[in-house]
Amino acid sequence: GQNIDQPTEMTATEGAIVQINCTYQTSGFNGLFWYQQHAGEAPTFLSYNVLDGLEEKGRFSSFLSRSKGYSYLLLKELQMKDSASYLCAVRHYGGATNKLIFGTGTLLAVQP
Amino acid sequence: EAGVVQSPRYKIIEKKQPVAFWCNPISGHNTLYWYLQNLGQGPELLIRYENEEAVDDSQLPKDRFSAERLKGVDSTLKIQPAELGDSAVYLCASSRTPTGELFFGEGSRLTVL
Repeated sequence: GQNIDQPTEMTATEGAIVQINCTYQTSGFNGLFWYQQHAGEAPTFLSYNVLDGLEEKGRFSSFLSRSKGYSYLLLKELQMKDSASYLCAVRHYGGATNKLIFGTGTLLAVQP
Repeated sequence: EAGVVQSPRYKIIEKKQPVAFWCNPISGHNTLYWYLQNLGQGPELLIRYENEEAVDDSQLPKDRFSAERLKGVDSTLKIQPAELGDSAVYLCASSRTPTGELFFGEGSRLTVL
């Protein structure tokens, strides 16, 4: 089966750096996504990793290690608007189809 | 470019009543998804379409849930009859390709009393 683990909640200070970890167990790994979801809103795409290494996009970076089944999302220069839930999602081959499985999300609270 | 459009945004019904949700994906996106999201949880896939074909409906409770995408564009998700445990947000998403990034609609929040 597939299993995705990420912390339930995190708190950080405005201007600081925070790292949100995601570990997964899956067969037929075919990529990992990070989504941001503000309360009452739709998830929005942040990043995608399919090869090992770091992908940087402005204040957000995402890292993947396929051998360790591990990813993290790094948020720099935190702003109050970054308070949201961050969802790790893993794509895997499930028979003849791709499946995208979401973790339960990490609720990040950015404090002044 | 218009995003994924869903309606209604909110729906309150009594248990055993039927309910339907509608989704219009982004133009040109052949892959359409329906997800269910409970409070504090991640989205859970109900069904995925490639054009008008349901290629993954293994998580759809077929005794009460049904979905269709007749012309490979808009889609509807129906629950009949609704149960208390169906209260959740129903998210529709689309992607240009089966492996591409998902774009989500704002969701339809269902409350079953």
